[in-house]
Amino acid sequence: QQQVKQSPQSLIVQKGGISIINCAYENTAFDYFPWYQQFPGKGPALLIAIRPDVSEKKEGRFTISFNKSAKQFSLHIMDSQPGDSATYFCAASGSNDYKLSFGAGTTVTVRA
Amino acid sequence: DGGITQSPKYLFRKEGQNVTLSCEQNLNHDAMYWYRQDPGQGLRLIYYSQIVNDFQKGDIAEGYSVSREKKESFPLTVTSAQKNPTAFYLCAIRRTGSVETQYFGPGTRLLVL
Repeated sequence: QQQVKQSPQSLIVQKGGISIINCAYENTAFDYFPWYQQFPGKGPALLIAIRPDVSEKKEGRFTISFNKSAKQFSLHIMDSQPGDSATYFCAASGSNDYKLSFGAGTTVTVRA
Repeated sequence: DGGITQSPKYLFRKEGQNVTLSCEQNLNHDAMYWYRQDPGQGLRLIYYSQIVNDFQKGDIAEGYSVSREKKESFPLTVTSAQKNPTAFYLCAIRRTGSVETQYFGPGTRLLVL
């Protein structure tokens, strides 16, 4: 039973468009929410992370929005580029043990 | 994945055979993790170790075993009891500091012959 639910499973976006991936969680003990990017045959790489004390965090073209009351968070990829084509995973953990619970992943395809 | 080495990149297992996947780190971090990745299911935690000579079961430990005799090494054995071992196996370390999260190695793909 996944503790973090991620949607959509896949999405296709045109170059320059916005990709939006959503995640929801139930465990209120979670207080750390990273996003990972994974290319085929490679290990996931940390992209951006957020804690519940802020509602938004931006790094370059990547933005996390966090809604604590709804227990939801999302990743926005602005000005999507073909090099952004990858699988993206959201995750969540509590401060005590840093065991990450992962979403099922979203495969993003950016068409040129 | 700099500082985390997984070998081999591909591994083949015959029926009834135990195989061991290697994970080495030169980053001097205490916590190490093993995940299994299957298509459409994200990453699932197999075992983790917070300190040398100690490890804990994750969500899917059945059919797997680990050891942590040295800080830099956390090998995973896929035993014959694991009936569906074909997957991509990822080792991770927990890096603390300004961004406390897990960093992953390049992975080992295990295939059953």
